[in-house]
Amino acid sequence: EIMLTQSAGTLSLSPGERASLSCRASQSVSSSYLAWYQQKPGQAPRLLIYGASSRATGIPDRFSGSGSGTDFTLTISRLEPEDFAVYYCQQYGSSITFGQGTRLEIK
Amino acid sequence: EVHLLESGGGLIQPGGSLRLSCIASGFTFSNYAMTWVRQAPGRGLEWVSSISTNADSTYYADSVKGRFTISRDDSRDTLYLQMNSLRAEDTAVYYCAKNRLVVVTAPIDYWGQGVLVTVSS
Repeated sequence: EIMLTQSAGTLSLSPGERASLSCRASQSVSSSYLAWYQQKPGQAPRLLIYGASSRATGIPDRFSGSGSGTDFTLTISRLEPEDFAVYYCQQYGSSITFGQGTRLEIK
Repeated sequence: EVHLLESGGGLIQPGGSLRLSCIASGFTFSNYAMTWVRQAPGRGLEWVSSISTNADSTYYADSVKGRFTISRDDSRDTLYLQMNSLRAEDTAVYYCAKNRLVVVTAPIDYWGQGVLVTVSS
């Protein structure tokens, strides 16, 4: 089973700042089958990025994904108030696993 | 508009059984793989099970293998999760989810609002 580790449990930043969220896999993720989701309290998750770097429908271009192999990053170029939430990475190339999540909170 | 509506949750004693249902609308249900994901209170997301189109293949997390069964009825646009031998650690919100593609190896592009299952005596 591929384990995903999101290194920061919590990230404290201010609106307007740039956020970089990390996701490291215990082994290479095939074909960059890596996605990122955003979850706000009391809501279902929302797909942001798939295939490591492709934005899902309707996702603002301030969200971008990068990486390959075992190291992946979600970048939010300029934080808006509505971006403060929990973010999960997921690999879907070998079974399915999620990272433990990174909470992005307002500093 | 894609809509996924789960039902069947509730309070159940350890060792009991429950069947979750998810009625889909807004897309051609039979053309997509489907998935169940759960989230224990205050915890992260955990993949539970996925099913291919035509129900040719089913996949389970080790934590539920042998106890849970995923199935689909394409004539009713409905996904199911039969949960047997329930344990306290199965307590969670269970999300019905649509895979982005026909294959199971695809991200989830739509999620239901979730249904709460509480396993407790």
